[in-house]
Amino acid sequence: EAQVTQNPRYLITVTGKKLTVTCSQNMNHEYMSWYRQDPGLGLRQIYYSMNVEVTDKGDVPEGYKVSRKEKRNFPLILESPSPNQTSLYFCASHPAGGMSYEQYFGPGTRLTVT
Amino acid sequence: GDSVTQMEGPVTLSEEAFLTINCTYTATGYPSLFWYVQYPGEGLQLLLKATKADDKGSNKGFEATYRKETTSFHLEKGSVQVSDSAVYFCALSGVSGGSNYKLTFGKGTLLTVNP
Repeated sequence: EAQVTQNPRYLITVTGKKLTVTCSQNMNHEYMSWYRQDPGLGLRQIYYSMNVEVTDKGDVPEGYKVSRKEKRNFPLILESPSPNQTSLYFCASHPAGGMSYEQYFGPGTRLTVT
Repeated sequence: GDSVTQMEGPVTLSEEAFLTINCTYTATGYPSLFWYVQYPGEGLQLLLKATKADDKGSNKGFEATYRKETTSFHLEKGSVQVSDSAVYFCALSGVSGGSNYKLTFGKGTLLTVNP
């Protein structure tokens, strides 16, 4: 089954404790992105990657890091989480080319930073 | 930059009522337009899409028409069901900085359908 998976689905942590949210897709997509969803703000892009070893900032990159060492994986790293990073996070992927640039989303990771 | 404005709601309807959720956009070029749905506790699912002007996307009884002259992509359904209760997001895809094929989302509309 074609899918994007994320782990963990739920995470409660404390300020300053480094964490990683994993994302993996099995569709051989070149592009991957991370979004955060906050009430009243919709979804905003954090980082994106065009292919292995190629990443760049989205609209709200502060406080986050990413890496793309393998095509299928795109982890999101919070080196020193703060309460304002409490949010619902989605990973997404899509193939290069095509007409619509439709993106495929993972199930989400709900992060709480206390 | 690109932006999407959608009716924020919340919207509460009775079963079998007619649904419209308005969505307008600002974008350069010719974006593709999408409606995504998020059921309680779940991730985002693509509901329908349209890739060019006058295209009509449809799925599960929902429809939306890409209107370039009014820069709109309103979501409609003739008879909603309780199972349609969810948050609906309008989105457009565009290219930012020459390589970032990102989605720009509206803020979402919470729909509750009562029996």
